[in-house]
Amino acid sequence: KQEVTQIPAALSVPEGENLVLNCSFTDSAIYNLQWFRQDPGKGLTSLLLIQSSQREQTSGRLNASLDKSSGRSTLYIAASQPGDSATYLCAADNYGQNFVFGPGTRLSVLP
Amino acid sequence: EAQVTQNPRYLITVTGKKLTVTCSQNMNHEYMSWYRQDPGLGLRQIYYSMNVEVTDKGDVPEGYKVSRKEKRNFPLILESPSPNQTSLYFCASSPRTAMNTEAFFGQGTRLTVV
Repeated sequence: KQEVTQIPAALSVPEGENLVLNCSFTDSAIYNLQWFRQDPGKGLTSLLLIQSSQREQTSGRLNASLDKSSGRSTLYIAASQPGDSATYLCAADNYGQNFVFGPGTRLSVLP
Repeated sequence: EAQVTQNPRYLITVTGKKLTVTCSQNMNHEYMSWYRQDPGLGLRQIYYSMNVEVTDKGDVPEGYKVSRKEKRNFPLILESPSPNQTSLYFCASSPRTAMNTEAFFGQGTRLTVV
């Protein structure tokens, strides 16, 4: 059964710092891995989707990488801003099964 | 605008009173699913549907029912709600084709059962 973990659980950084969020999964037979952002009490916003055949995806200041063989994905946020404060979730998609979510990393970017 | 719409957004009900949370998507996606989110437990899948008339249990299906009579709608039914079903619920859809597997989520339904 797929299990997804995320490190760190919480992170507080000053504005402008570059930061890395980590996601690990136990079953490397994934179809894709998706990163989401969730603001308090709100829905999930898709940030980046990495297909199993890809190594990374970029969108603006965000870059996500995927290493299936080691069961790891990282989300890199460049030049962080207070507006980036949210919880970041990764989800591993084992096709035919479900999206298995990690517990999330709660990010606070201080002005 | 492509979206997944859930209703209601907020609901307070009493134990045992049947309720339905609706979910509708306008992207012609085949795959739809329901999740609940609880503090310390994260997002857990309740049920999913790979296509019309095809549904299957997720990780926490007890106390819930679903139906998929048409592609765009996937309602979540609580026949006899209990306080342990107080949670934040999310509906999601995805094309789940070889070319596109991105998941889209609704804004959530906050359910309180007293």
